[in-house]
Amino acid sequence: DAGVIQSPRHEVTEMGQEVTLRCKPISGHDYLFWYRQTMMRGLELLIYFNNNVPIDDSGMPEDRFSAKMPNASFSTLKIQPSEPRDSAVYFCASSLPPGLERTGELFFGEGSRLTVL
Amino acid sequence: AQSVTQPDIHITVSEGASLELRCNYSYGATPYLFWYVQSPGQGLQLLLKYFSGDTLVQGIKGFEAEFKRSQSSFNLRKPSVHWSDAAEYFCAVGISNFGNEKLTFGTGTRLTIIP
Repeated sequence: DAGVIQSPRHEVTEMGQEVTLRCKPISGHDYLFWYRQTMMRGLELLIYFNNNVPIDDSGMPEDRFSAKMPNASFSTLKIQPSEPRDSAVYFCASSLPPGLERTGELFFGEGSRLTVL
Repeated sequence: AQSVTQPDIHITVSEGASLELRCNYSYGATPYLFWYVQSPGQGLQLLLKYFSGDTLVQGIKGFEAEFKRSQSSFNLRKPSVHWSDAAEYFCAVGISNFGNEKLTFGTGTRLTIIP
């Protein structure tokens, strides 16, 4: 089975532009997570979904960030307008429903490296 | 809220030598503890996890970790490292309430292997 697929792998844009990052989770995984990784702050959980419903978006930095999951096989993270401080690697991860043997086992995509000039 | 501390930012080890990466956590209840590995340009991959029971857990790639409640630690070990182990290692603590799957990651330890 294919892993978590993210696109684009690299994105360079100018400040003020809209950025859309995409994620296809592993089929059958009920949970989807968006993380951001920077040198300064490490890995931060932005938002996660369960069965396409946002459960916790407390990590979303500000209103410029939004995430959607219109169906079980697709999610987007949008930044509008983008700023240089948004430059980071954005990871999508998915997991099966929680259970003693599966809890915490996240399957990560390869990430989308965003550079905002 | 839970937190994780990885005191070593960067560790260099000779190939074939033993390895121990440190992880300390803060959490009021019994934690769920994890170690993930990230190779350059890749996402994170689960190495091993601790939920309960035997405090010494075995993972993939020959890694093991020991949970010590008295020290609030979950250190990762490997008896003999290989050049392919060069990567960044993340400790994480989580809570799971069958609906809450939040993990908190440490800042990571970068492992360099020298010949």
